[in-house]
Amino acid sequence: DAGVIQSPRHEVTEMGQEVTLRCKPISGHNSLFWYRQTMMRGLELLIYFNNNVPIDDSGMPEDRFSAKMPNASFSTLKIQPSEPRDSAVYFCASSLTAGNSPLHFGNGTRLTVT
Amino acid sequence: QQQVKQSPQSLIVQKGGISIINCAYENTAFDYFPWYQQFPGKGPALLIAIRPDVSEKKEGRFTISFNKSAKQFSLHIMDSQPGDSATYFCAASKGSYIPTFGRGTSLIVHP
Repeated sequence: DAGVIQSPRHEVTEMGQEVTLRCKPISGHNSLFWYRQTMMRGLELLIYFNNNVPIDDSGMPEDRFSAKMPNASFSTLKIQPSEPRDSAVYFCASSLTAGNSPLHFGNGTRLTVT
Repeated sequence: QQQVKQSPQSLIVQKGGISIINCAYENTAFDYFPWYQQFPGKGPALLIAIRPDVSEKKEGRFTISFNKSAKQFSLHIMDSQPGDSATYFCAASKGSYIPTFGRGTSLIVHP
């Protein structure tokens, strides 16, 4: 298995622009997570999907952030409009179950908003 | 989410030494305690995990010690090597609970 695949690896955009991050989870995994990592706040959970349904989006910073999972093999995280404070590394992770199995992380998307 | 407290924030060890990272949790219902290792430019990857029915688990140079009564668990890296230099995260979870991560420990092993 190729593991969790994220794209793009790097994204540089100007403030106010729309940014879309993409994730392909491991086949057969029914839980998908989006995390944001910064030096200041560490790993923050943004949203958690189970069987393609958003279960917990309490970590989504504000309405500028949205996430979708149209099918079991694809998810997107969108930021519109983007702001400099959104600059971070965004990780997607998948697992067989939410709690009792390990998370498999992608290599992340480094987002820079200027 | 329940909190998991991880310490120290950073750690510097000489090659061959023992690296020890500690975590404490609050929710006694947690029953799965993984440690993740993250290298620069990569996502965290599972290193070793333990369930509370055992007090210790060893895989090569990596050992998890678990103290259920104290609600603490720790990662010990024996004979630390420069290649072990990475950020380490502890986590805790149960069933359908979303995993809770510690803040991470940056380990540097000097040659």
